[in-house]
Amino acid sequence: RKEVEQDPGPFNVPEGATVAFNCTYSNSASQSFFWYRQDCRKEPKLLMSVYSSGNEDGRFTAQLNRASQYISLLIRDSKLSDSATYLCVVKYEGDYKLSFGAGTTVTVRA
Amino acid sequence: GAGVSQTPSNKVTEKGKYVELRCDPISGHTALYWYRQSLGQGPEFLIYFQGTGAADDSGLPNDRFFAVRPEGSVSTLKIQRTERGDSAVYLCASSLKGGPSNTGELFFGEGSRLTVL
Repeated sequence: RKEVEQDPGPFNVPEGATVAFNCTYSNSASQSFFWYRQDCRKEPKLLMSVYSSGNEDGRFTAQLNRASQYISLLIRDSKLSDSATYLCVVKYEGDYKLSFGAGTTVTVRA
Repeated sequence: GAGVSQTPSNKVTEKGKYVELRCDPISGHTALYWYRQSLGQGPEFLIYFQGTGAADDSGLPNDRFFAVRPEGSVSTLKIQRTERGDSAVYLCASSLKGGPSNTGELFFGEGSRLTVL
């Protein structure tokens, strides 16, 4: 079983719609969580960290459920520019590296 | 530029050949990571340097892969006797701090796309 699992999508949504997707992680020792964004044939970039209490950054909301070992990302009022692959990332306590999921592809259409 | 720089951006080689991929991290970043990304997959960890030393090389798939960072800045990933299965995008990332102090923000280069024929 992969450490980090994501629904690959694609999620095809119209502009202005809300889209949400989850990521599950297998290791309960996971300490820190992040969402990265990767545009087609480009490098991943940090979108936002995920805090235990949940957090928002503009139109993006991230939630963490430690009991069920999943995190979620919700995008409100989708823009064409939100089209990308969203990578779920976990960091284990005492570890140095980040572990990435395979990504969820979102396509926003006009 | 101020970002992570990787060269070459594209490399096509024949099975069995030796390749070197170079990474120039952001100035002042002590932590450097190599990841590999295959089509449709997320980045897969290869090796992590803190300064000049490889603090964690547990992700290197076999002994054909080796990486160095002799002066604590530029790093080179070396692949011997390349195989078709080595074809992927090799991503380098750096961060200001490594280890448990890592805030989780890695700055990635655009990658070196390796194709082994």
